[in-house]
Parts: sequence; C-alpha cells; structure tokens
Amino acid sequence: NAGVTQTPKFQVLKTGQSMTLQCAQDMNHEYMSWYRQDPGMGLRLIHYSVGAGITDQGEVPNGYNVSRSTTEDFPLRLLSAAPSQTSVYFCASSYAGLAGGTDTQYFGPGTRLTVL
Amino acid sequence: GENVEQHPSTLSVQEGDSAVIKCTYSDSASNYFPWYKQELGKRPQLIIDIRSNVGEKKDQRIAVTLNKTAKHFSLHITETQPEDSAVYFCAGMNNNDMRFGAGTRLTVKP
Repeated sequence: NAGVTQTPKFQVLKTGQSMTLQCAQDMNHEYMSWYRQDPGMGLRLIHYSVGAGITDQGEVPNGYNVSRSTTEDFPLRLLSAAPSQTSVYFCASSYAGLAGGTDTQYFGPGTRLTVL
Repeated sequence: GENVEQHPSTLSVQEGDSAVIKCTYSDSASNYFPWYKQELGKRPQLIIDIRSNVGEKKDQRIAVTLNKTAKHFSLHITETQPEDSAVYFCAGMNNNDMRFGAGTRLTVKP
C-alpha cells in the first residue's frame, strides 16, 4: 500500500491564482480530511469527508473547496490564492463510522505552499 | 466548536527522566483524544490515543490519562531517550471534527 499520497510536494503561486492540491489513499478509508499547519499554531482542520459524496467544513474553510467523488481521492481547491494561505497542507485518512468515532488517522507527506 | 489548549509549549528533560504534557478541551461531547509526534519536516504520526469511555491507556513507555469531569488529558513519557525529541500535538474530536493543540516541543538532552 502506498498509504496517503499528496501532490505536489512544493508549490509557489501568485496572489489570485487558483490550484488544486491532490490527495489519494489506497486503504479504502471512509474518512478523509485536510489540515493546514502554520508555525506555532498546530494543525487546523479545513474540510473533511466521511465518505464519497459527503463533505463538511472544519475550523478554517474559507477560501477552500473540496469534493469527494470517489473513496480514494479528496482534492483541495484554492479558489483565489492569498498570501495568508501560505502554509503546509496535510491530507489525512482513517476508517471512521458516521456516528463520530474514528480510528488511527494516517497523514500524507504534506504540500508546502507559498503564495506571493 | 471544540477548543484544545496544550501546555507547556516547550519542555526540556534529561535522558531517562519523565516528561508530561497536558491538554484541556472545551467540548464535553468530544469522545476521541489522540496524541501525535512530529519530527522536523515530517508528517504527524499517531503515538497513542484514548476514547472517552477509558480513563488510562499505556503502550510501553507512553501513557495517556483522561479526566472527563475536568476535561483534561495528559501524555506521559517515561525513561525518555534522545529520539523522543520532537513536537507533540494533542487533539480532541467530536462528530468527526478534529481540533489540535498548538504543540509542545520536547527536547531530551543526552
């Protein structure tokens, strides 16, 4: 198993550009999520999904869109990049029941995004 | 939403000593509390977790305790080793919404 994969590893954007961060997992996990990590602030949840066709907002969803058309993929779209979105982005996945329990969450290697 | 606070922000111990990191949470409905270790430039990795129906869990040198009444949980590392040096994050989850603490940078001096 490749686990959780993310592409690209590094990206530089100009203000106003749009792009999609890719995330895929081959463990048949129902739960997938996106976090951003800024220095001194830990990880903050952007969006999450409990299964194909179901997404929900996390703590910091503004400026980001997600969709979940398959179990394996969970792309994160930046609509109009801003310098405040400069961060390291992590995708994660786990087995999860819709009732709210969860299991070990596996993180991808991260994407380092810089917005100029 | 849930708010998780973590203390201390930095912790330095001598090799062989114990280290304790504490977290508090605000949402009494939170039911899952994982701890992650993150080395520089790497992804977070789960080291131990506890669910709200359990008060304590241990895995070799690592243990976690949970006090639901006081809404706090703690990570205990015994017999620390230099390779335990990393940033540790606590988190709390309610209904699939995970919130992290700001992290504790642990340094173990040989």
